[in-house]
Amino acid sequence: DVKVTQSSRYLVKRTGEKVFLECVQDMDHENMFWYRQDPGLGLRLIYFSYDVKMKEKGDIPEGYSVSREKKERFSLILESASTSQTSMYLCASRKRQGARIYGYTFGSGTRLTVV
Amino acid sequence: ILNVEQSPQSLHVQEGDSTNFTCSFPSSNFYALHWYRWETAKSPEALFVMTLNGDEKKKGRISATLNTKEGYSYLYIKGSQPEDSATYLCASPNTGGFKTIFGAGTRLFVKA
Repeated sequence: DVKVTQSSRYLVKRTGEKVFLECVQDMDHENMFWYRQDPGLGLRLIYFSYDVKMKEKGDIPEGYSVSREKKERFSLILESASTSQTSMYLCASRKRQGARIYGYTFGSGTRLTVV
Repeated sequence: ILNVEQSPQSLHVQEGDSTNFTCSFPSSNFYALHWYRWETAKSPEALFVMTLNGDEKKKGRISATLNTKEGYSYLYIKGSQPEDSATYLCASPNTGGFKTIFGAGTRLFVKA
């Protein structure tokens, strides 16, 4: 029962290409996130969205943009892919925090290689 | 920016051994502490969300403790099994929980 689906497990793109990474969740979660994971580092937040059409920059937004036109879908866009963007990309979703604090539900990741 | 440190980076144990690893985080403005298990080729899976000082949570053979005053959490695995082999991540979100700082993880290898 996959709950957060990322469109591709592996991708190879050329430098300068525009790249779209898609993420869909079926849990009706308000919050969605894009992280990247590089060897020896913790997950780093690229962008997040607290609701439909809302987006906020994370810690490393440069070279990326996002789109959240529907509640279930959060897309990460690499405007002009560079080799420094070779990484594992993880999408996550979470129910809106209230009195209770929730953990993330993650997708299984997209390993992107830019050549 | 918060700094979340995990130790050790990796750990090799025999099946049946009990083990533990550490997550340290800044104790000021503490909001919550998350633990995740990330098996190879799978999604990171939430283990625990902890908020209260002195909190102790348990899930099967895995348990975690939290000390918010001194800024550390321990994850314990009792009687390790090969299927426990994974990377264990801890993470500390800021107030509101939108910006979460993750540690680099502890990679556990359990040999049968």
